[in-house]
Amino acid sequence: DVKVTQSSRYLVKRTGEKVFLECVQDMDHENMFWYRQDPGLGLRLIYFSYDVKMKEKGDIPEGYSVSREKKERFSLILESASTNQTSMYLCASSLGGRGSSYNEQFFGPGTRLTVL
Amino acid sequence: SQQGEEDPQALSIQEGENATMNCSYKTSINNLQWYRQNSGRGLVHLILIRSNEREKHSGRLRVTLDTSKKSSSLLITASRAADTASYFCATDAGYQKVTFGTGTKLQVIP
Repeated sequence: DVKVTQSSRYLVKRTGEKVFLECVQDMDHENMFWYRQDPGLGLRLIYFSYDVKMKEKGDIPEGYSVSREKKERFSLILESASTNQTSMYLCASSLGGRGSSYNEQFFGPGTRLTVL
Repeated sequence: SQQGEEDPQALSIQEGENATMNCSYKTSINNLQWYRQNSGRGLVHLILIRSNEREKHSGRLRVTLDTSKKSSSLLITASRAADTASYFCATDAGYQKVTFGTGTKLQVIP
């Protein structure tokens, strides 16, 4: 079974702090994704990566950055946390690769981040 | 921008009844996927239907796709309390990523 793990289930930070959210997958997937989920807005894509050291902006990248130094690990960084970044953050991975047509995504359990 | 929009936003039914959720989208797709999310957890993939398919079954799930209307429906037959969750459609336009809708919250009353 694919396993996607996230470093924390719950996190409380203060405004202005630098926040790191870590995600690790164990199935050698090419693609990894970071979403945030807010009531009434569904899942919104922040960033995704289709290869090591490669990244692409999603729909709401402002205030976030990412790092993918190893294939299995994708980090989301909040450079200076703000209260409007309080949300549920979900990491996912998919097989990807050249010629891949079906991109079923496997999700981690989520990190509920509160910024005070 | 959101690609898929689910309807209804919330649905409450009795155990044993069927539940139908609909998804509409805006642009051409390669495939459409349905996911389930139990409260406070990550999403779990349920079923994928390709753009050249019209109907697909998996256990108690039945998915239809009408590309001319840009819409899909998910039917859960003989619902159980354990089916209580939020359900999301996700459209894949072929760029290695999918776009999720806002979800339907299903409550199955025992």
